[in-house]
Amino acid sequence: EVQLVESGGGLVQPGGSLRLSCAASEFTFSSYDMSWVRQAPGKGLEWVSYIRDSGTTIYYADSVKGRFTISRDNAKNSLFLQMNTLRVEDTAVYFCARVGARGNWYFDLWGRGTLVTVSS
Amino acid sequence: DIVMTQSPDSLAVSLGERATINCKSSQGVLYSSNNKNYLAWYQQKPGQPPKLLIYWTSTRESGVPDRFSGSGSGTDFTLTISSLQAEDVAVYYCQQYYNTPPTFGQGTRVEIK
Repeated sequence: EVQLVESGGGLVQPGGSLRLSCAASEFTFSSYDMSWVRQAPGKGLEWVSYIRDSGTTIYYADSVKGRFTISRDNAKNSLFLQMNTLRVEDTAVYFCARVGARGNWYFDLWGRGTLVTVSS
Repeated sequence: DIVMTQSPDSLAVSLGERATINCKSSQGVLYSSNNKNYLAWYQQKPGQPPKLLIYWTSTRESGVPDRFSGSGSGTDFTLTISSLQAEDVAVYYCQQYYNTPPTFGQGTRVEIK
């Protein structure tokens, strides 16, 4: 089955760090650009970060720039998000999402998400 | 950033009736070189991730029922559910991918009347 499965979420104190992972299966992961999108409890969707299929081009939302780092391992069909200096407002479900064909930034496949809670 | 504004925030429609959701962008999302509007629609059911319904304003994703249709151009777009079914109860989001960052509308909740 074509799918994305996130892991690594949890409860962390403000200022702490977490590393999220996303495992891709049943599609050619190395051929797709990928993104992270988050959703605060009861709120809408917010794009967080993007990485090109080769890993050579990366973008971040202003809200996470300088604190979060996206990366990928195409040999292991995996996407990562290193989150440092976490804030209460980073509390959200984090979705791994596949970017549409030819790098057009709609998202045609989503994981079920992993919950990150930042609280003291 | 392009701001996406949906209306209404919620609507209740009888089974079998039409549901219409509007989405307005703060600037145009039509790329003149290919005449495409960079606008997508998603459906999110409770406890589930979003699901892509429509991209390029009106292209249905594979497997999406044809009761879902998208239209519009420039800054004004519409998602129409022609005959609401019980399984369509969800929150619907529009999203522009014309430029970075991609941005979403605030969502429209669709319920059964």
